Amino acid sequence: QVQLQESGPGLVKPSGTLSLTCAVSGDSISSENWWSWVRQPPGKGLEWIGQIYHGGTTNYNPSLRSRLTISVDKSNNQISLNLTSVTAADTAIYYCARLKTTLTTWIDSWGQGTLVTVSS
Amino acid sequence: DIQMTQSPSSLSASIGDRVTITCQASQDIRKFLNWYQQKPGKAPKLLIHAASNLETGVPARFSASGSGTDFTFTISSLQPEDIATYYCQQFHNLPITFGQGTRLEIK
Repeated sequence: QVQLQESGPGLVKPSGTLSLTCAVSGDSISSENWWSWVRQPPGKGLEWIGQIYHGGTTNYNPSLRSRLTISVDKSNNQISLNLTSVTAADTAIYYCARLKTTLTTWIDSWGQGTLVTVSS
Repeated sequence: DIQMTQSPSSLSASIGDRVTITCQASQDIRKFLNWYQQKPGKAPKLLIHAASNLETGVPARFSASGSGTDFTFTISSLQPEDIATYYCQQFHNLPITFGQGTRLEIK
C-alpha cells in the first residue's frame, strides 16, 4: 500500500519560497503513475497545484505557473514543490498525491497533508 | 479552465435518508469525473472514479452517474460516518479542477 508523507517548514515569510518534499513508500516514483500536489486553504476547497511524471514532465496550474517548480528525486523516491514569492493567499494545507491513469485519471492516494502558513 | 459547480453547498439530512448531490461542468467532460469524501482534519478519499465506478472497499450505499456536463452522487441510506464534505473533480482538461464542495451534516 502506497504511503505519502509531506514535510517542510510550517511557516514561511511573505515574499519567501515555500519548499516541500513528499516521500513515497510502497510504490516507486518511476512507476507508471503521475505524482501531484493539491492544496486547501483553511476552511476552503481543494486546488490542484500541478503534477509530475518520473521522466520529469510537468503540468502546472496556470494560476501558479510563474512561481512554481515541481521536481522528482528518483534516488530518494520523492517529489518536491517550490513556490516562490509567497503571500498570505498561499497559506494552506498542502497534500501530495498519486494519480492513477488508465482510460481516465483519478487520485487514489493522498498524503496526510502539511499546513504551511505565510506570515511575518 | 473548466468550472465545476456543485449543488447544494451544504445539506442537512437524517440518518437513513437518501442524499443526492449534483455536479455540473462548464463544458463536456464525458465521464472524466471523480468523487471524493473529506472528513474534518483528514485528506480526501476517493469514492468513485470515471463518473460511476465505485472504488474498491467503498460501501455500496454510495453511487454516482452522469456524463457530459451533468453528474449525480447519491448516498442511498445516510450513515453517521458519512458526515463529511464531498467534492467532484474533473480530469478531462488541465488544469484539473474541483467543485466547491458539499458539506453534509446530520439533521
